[in-house]
Amino acid sequence: EVQVVESGGTLVQPGGSLRLSCAASGFSVNANYLTWVRQAPGKGLEWVSVIDSVGATIYADSVKGRFTLSRDDSKNTVYLQMSSLRFEDTAMYYCARDVGVRGLDPWGPGTLVTVSS
Amino acid sequence: DIQLTQSPSFLSASVGDRVTITCRASQDIIVYLAWYQQKPGKAPEVLIYAASTLQSGVPSRFSGSGSGTEFTLTINSLQPEDFATYYCQQLNGYPGTFGGGTKVEIK
Repeated sequence: EVQVVESGGTLVQPGGSLRLSCAASGFSVNANYLTWVRQAPGKGLEWVSVIDSVGATIYADSVKGRFTLSRDDSKNTVYLQMSSLRFEDTAMYYCARDVGVRGLDPWGPGTLVTVSS
Repeated sequence: DIQLTQSPSFLSASVGDRVTITCRASQDIIVYLAWYQQKPGKAPEVLIYAASTLQSGVPSRFSGSGSGTEFTLTINSLQPEDFATYYCQQLNGYPGTFGGGTKVEIK
């Protein structure tokens, strides 16, 4: 079964750092694109970043310079390193396999990041 | 970046109704648009991709149409399990922006 599962979300202070993980099964992360999407409480979906099959990355302007994507092929896992966290980064963070024109499928259940003092 | 404007943002409907949601893109995205359904406390799920192709397993009462800058999602004969929030996403390049969402509630 193709699936992804996020982990690592927690409460963190403003200015702090956090690393989220997206563990994939049923497919190889080094042969696919993985996208991160976040959703602030009660709000809509916001595209955050993508890592492609060769490890190239693209970020939304709102996180550029603060978030970094990486990949561990041996663990079939993608990581989202988040630094200089702000109150407005509080959200549920989802990862999803990005199948191009077929959209994002599947999505993980999400991991909650709360930035608060 | 490509902007997507979804309307309405909220709609109230009854079981059996036909509902239509519109998504307008700020520039031509050909047919590179997907629609997602999100239920409370759950991750979104893709319903339609390439503007009109139904994802495997999605009921045929869902349909999508459009090209260029204007797209629609139609739900024929709304069922109780269809009350949810729907999002469009453009797939014509990164960032893969989303529409603001349409919440479909029971009248």
